[in-house]
Amino acid sequence: KQEVTQIPAALSVPEGENLVLNCSFTDSAIYNLQWFRQDPGKGLTSLLLIQSSQREQTSGRLNASLDKSSGRSTLYIAASQPGDSATYLCAVTPDRGSTLGRLYFGRGTQLTVWP
Amino acid sequence: DAGVTQSPTHLIKTRGQHVTLRCSPISGHKSVSWYQQVLGQGPQFIFQYYEKEERGRGNFPDRFSARQFPNYSSELNVNALLLGDSALYLCASSLDLPYEQYFGPGTRLTVT
Repeated sequence: KQEVTQIPAALSVPEGENLVLNCSFTDSAIYNLQWFRQDPGKGLTSLLLIQSSQREQTSGRLNASLDKSSGRSTLYIAASQPGDSATYLCAVTPDRGSTLGRLYFGRGTQLTVWP
Repeated sequence: DAGVTQSPTHLIKTRGQHVTLRCSPISGHKSVSWYQQVLGQGPQFIFQYYEKEERGRGNFPDRFSARQFPNYSSELNVNALLLGDSALYLCASSLDLPYEQYFGPGTRLTVT
């Protein structure tokens, strides 16, 4: 069974810092990996999607990398801002069988950026 | 274009009651999935439908059921509610399997 782990569980930093959030998964047979943002009590906003054949994706101040063989992904946030405060979730999609298309999530990293 | 919509936004029910949650996917999307997110946890997969057929079911009891309609909207039904069913229920749609999934705002269910 696919298991996804995110480290750290929580992070509190001053504005302007560069951050790295980590995600690991136990089964490397994935189709893609997505990073989501979730504000308190709200739905999920997709930030970046990396296909299994890709090594990284970038969107603005966000950069996500994928090392499929080692079962790891990192989300890099440059020049953090208070508006980045949220929970960041990592999710993988298996590439085969009856679990094709379903997302397996980590528990998330709760980020607080203070002014 | 409108994103994924869910109704209602919030719901309070009593133990033993029944609840129906509704989801409308992004126009053109044929797959709908349901997830349960308990406070402090990541979302857990409940059901997945593609072209009106069930394609997957997570580890949830038979009290949970779902269906997808000809217009690709979906509803999630939960019978005999328990306190532990209190959670944020999220719906996601995708163009096809296993493409990128887009989430709705969720329905907050509180069981008292």
